[in-house]
Amino acid sequence: AQSVSQHNHHVILSEAASLELGCNYSYGGTVNLFWYVQYPGQHLQLLLKYFSGDPLVKGIKGFEAEFIKSKFSFNLRKPSVQWSDTAEYFCAVKTNTGNQFYFGTGTSLTVIP
Amino acid sequence: KAGVTQTPRYLIKTRGQQVTLSCSPISGHRSVSWYQQTPGQGLQFLFEYFSETQRNKGNFPGRFSGRQFSNSRSEMNVSTLELGDSALYLCASSLADYTTDTQYFGPGTRLTVL
Repeated sequence: AQSVSQHNHHVILSEAASLELGCNYSYGGTVNLFWYVQYPGQHLQLLLKYFSGDPLVKGIKGFEAEFIKSKFSFNLRKPSVQWSDTAEYFCAVKTNTGNQFYFGTGTSLTVIP
Repeated sequence: KAGVTQTPRYLIKTRGQQVTLSCSPISGHRSVSWYQQTPGQGLQFLFEYFSETQRNKGNFPGRFSGRQFSNSRSEMNVSTLELGDSALYLCASSLADYTTDTQYFGPGTRLTVL
């Protein structure tokens, strides 16, 4: 079965620090890749997605992610985090063999003002 | 367009009872997926429905079941509730476009089993 790994379970950063959250998946075929964010008390929202083309994808709120096929990775980045970025972040993968989405276990980000 | 709606938002039940959760997808979306979210476990996939048929199923016991109606609305049922069933149950809908499919989530139903 396909799996998605998010290596960082909890990340604590100060405001203005740079962020990189790791995401790796195990599937050798074509994939669609997603990052979702869940702010405290809110529902999961789509941050960005990759289907094809430019492997550097830009999303909302200054987030971006880079798809590196050779490393089976789709890491999320933000050059300067804000307190309002405190949330849980989930990486998800959809393969081209079905309609099921596979989610990582999430990374909890706390940004200290 | 209205987003995915889930009812009820909160539920408190006791062990042994059963519960039914409801999900209304975004208009035009034909696929509905259900997930269980617990701290440390992330999102665990329960099942996916498309055109009133269960298309994918996760690794949950048969106490967890679902269905989808002709208007794409979906319900999830959990029978003989256990303490470990306490979780946030999320519903996600999508167009089921094979190449560019994206799931959109509802606010969830918080189930507490006492």
